[in-house]
Amino acid sequence: SQKIEQNSEALNIQEGKTATLTCNYTNYSPAYLQWYRQDPGRGPVFLLLIRENEKEKRKERLKVTFDTTLKQSLFHITASQPADSATYLCALEEADSWGKFQFGAGTQVVVTP
Amino acid sequence: KAGVTQTPRYLIKTRGQQVTLSCSPISGHRSVSWYQQTPGQGLQFLFEYFSETQRNKGNFPGRFSGRQFSNSRSEMNVSTLELGDSALYLCASSPRGTGFGNTIYFGEGSWLTVV
Repeated sequence: SQKIEQNSEALNIQEGKTATLTCNYTNYSPAYLQWYRQDPGRGPVFLLLIRENEKEKRKERLKVTFDTTLKQSLFHITASQPADSATYLCALEEADSWGKFQFGAGTQVVVTP
Repeated sequence: KAGVTQTPRYLIKTRGQQVTLSCSPISGHRSVSWYQQTPGQGLQFLFEYFSETQRNKGNFPGRFSGRQFSNSRSEMNVSTLELGDSALYLCASSPRGTGFGNTIYFGEGSWLTVV
């Protein structure tokens, strides 16, 4: 069966440290993988996109890696700040299902001062 | 540029009733998709419309339906509501059609409570 797995336990991290989140998938062949941030009671907000033929993308303090052999993406928040506290979702889009995004359950990040 | 607008934001319905939720995409966006979010199941894809045509559909019963109008606005309807339909319903829009790795822009959602 198809699965997208993200750490279900909240990640508690001290301000200034790097938070690393994992997204593992099974029985998907994503052409694109995206990361979103969701705050309580709000819709998800796009952060980064990485293509299947890319290994790494960066945007400011954010970095995402994509390993199609391991079927895994890692999402890093460097120099974390309390404002980074939120739930982070990974989403896959396959080439035969354009427009249909499959989301992981998300990982909550809590950054403490 | 206005974001994705969903109405109503909150609503309470009784089992057996039906509900219609509305979504206005970002101007110029032609693709609209709908998702259901619950604590237990996370974000689940309902369906996606592009230029008034349903392109993809998730694994939801036929009680869940949608449509898109010529101005790209979309509605989704849930008939014969069940308690398990209580959820946050999110609409998302994206600018283009296929194969571009488009990001999707979500609205704030409609909170549906079925009692």
